[in-house]
Amino acid sequence: GDSVTQMEGPVTLSEEACLTINCTYTATGYPSLFWYVQYPGEGLQLLLKATKADDKGSNKGFEATYRKETTSFHLEKGSVQVSDSAVYFCALSDRTGGFKTIFGAGTRLFVKA
Amino acid sequence: DSGVTQTPKHLITATGQRVTLRCSPRSGDLSVYWYQQSLDQGLQFLIQYYNGEERAKGNILERFSAQQFPDLHSELNLSSLELGDSALYFCASSVEGDRGETQYFGPGTRLLVL
Repeated sequence: GDSVTQMEGPVTLSEEACLTINCTYTATGYPSLFWYVQYPGEGLQLLLKATKADDKGSNKGFEATYRKETTSFHLEKGSVQVSDSAVYFCALSDRTGGFKTIFGAGTRLFVKA
Repeated sequence: DSGVTQTPKHLITATGQRVTLRCSPRSGDLSVYWYQQSLDQGLQFLIQYYNGEERAKGNILERFSAQQFPDLHSELNLSSLELGDSALYFCASSVEGDRGETQYFGPGTRLLVL
């Protein structure tokens, strides 16, 4: 079945460091891919998404490119801030098998001032 | 604020009991999703409804059931509760429930089974 694998955390960075959180997926169809972010005590909110191969999603300085050949959707940011500290979830949504949404395990990011 | 509301925010109950969690989607959204978030299992998709009909089923136990009402709010019923059911339960909504859509998450209901 479909699955999402993302790098384990926690990831600890200093402010202004570069961030990459790896995400790879397995899907039988042509999924849409998402990054959601969860701040402490809150629900998840969409960070960015891509619905087809080679699409690049971007928001708030974060970027991710849908790479079909490597089945990846890595999250990147050139300069992180303390306010980026949160848990990041990679997810896919695939119509095959009935519109399921599969989330990765989440990666916790700590950014130090 | 995502526009999705969930009640109650916190729930403490005992093993063997039954509880009902409620979700109101964003105005105009026809699809509702339920998720369970626990420390050991991560975020698990439970079930999706679209305009009152079940659309997709994930890792939902037989002790759990859900429905979406004509006014589009949804309820998740958890029965014969076990200690392992303690978790954060999220509801999300989207317009059509299609694969490319953003899901908008509520703040969650934290369930503690003692």
